[in-house]
Amino acid sequence: QQQVKQSPQSLIVQKGGISIINCAYENTAFDYFPWYQQFPGKGPALLIAIRPDVSEKKEGRFTISFNKSAKQFSLHIMDSQPGDSATYFCAASKAAGNKLTFGGGTRVLVKP
Amino acid sequence: GAVVSQHPSWVICKSGTSVKIECRSLDFQATTMFWYRQFPKQSLMLMATSNEGSKATYEQGVEKDKFLINHASLTLSTLTVTSAHPEDSSFYICSANTGETDTQYFGPGTRLTVL
Repeated sequence: QQQVKQSPQSLIVQKGGISIINCAYENTAFDYFPWYQQFPGKGPALLIAIRPDVSEKKEGRFTISFNKSAKQFSLHIMDSQPGDSATYFCAASKAAGNKLTFGGGTRVLVKP
Repeated sequence: GAVVSQHPSWVICKSGTSVKIECRSLDFQATTMFWYRQFPKQSLMLMATSNEGSKATYEQGVEKDKFLINHASLTLSTLTVTSAHPEDSSFYICSANTGETDTQYFGPGTRLTVL
């Protein structure tokens, strides 16, 4: 059972454009939703995270939008740069610090 | 920020041998660490939750006798892949939480290749 579904699998965006990645979850017990960025051969690094009591959170060029009723959340990368080219994973857990369930990942390529 | 290290960063071994991977929290104590496995171009799959001083909790489908986990101190957890076979070749990543923040910090990963 895939508890966190992520789309699209891959994304190509021009430099300066907006990258949008969507995730949907099934388990209503999830209450912590982080996004991770992973470069080839490296471990994931936390980008931004949100809890269900907030509908939007912004940190720099990264914004999470959260829709609790639809059980969906998304990552927006504004002013995308070639250095943003990486694989992005959404994740969810029942509480912060607990085990994470990851989405399938989205490979983002930002063309100069 | 909190730093998690892994050793070795890559290892090549012969089929049938055992390999130990270390995960260390360098500047914080971690009562709980997690071990993930990632196959090429796939997502991270949780293998087990490692708790200091107690037995690890394995996810369904993960053989506990094949993937031995020891969390002997608040800064070190080890994963031993016993009698490794080519299908065990993967990227193994650990993570840890400081207990003070929400963030789960990941190590750089260990690439295991079994010949």
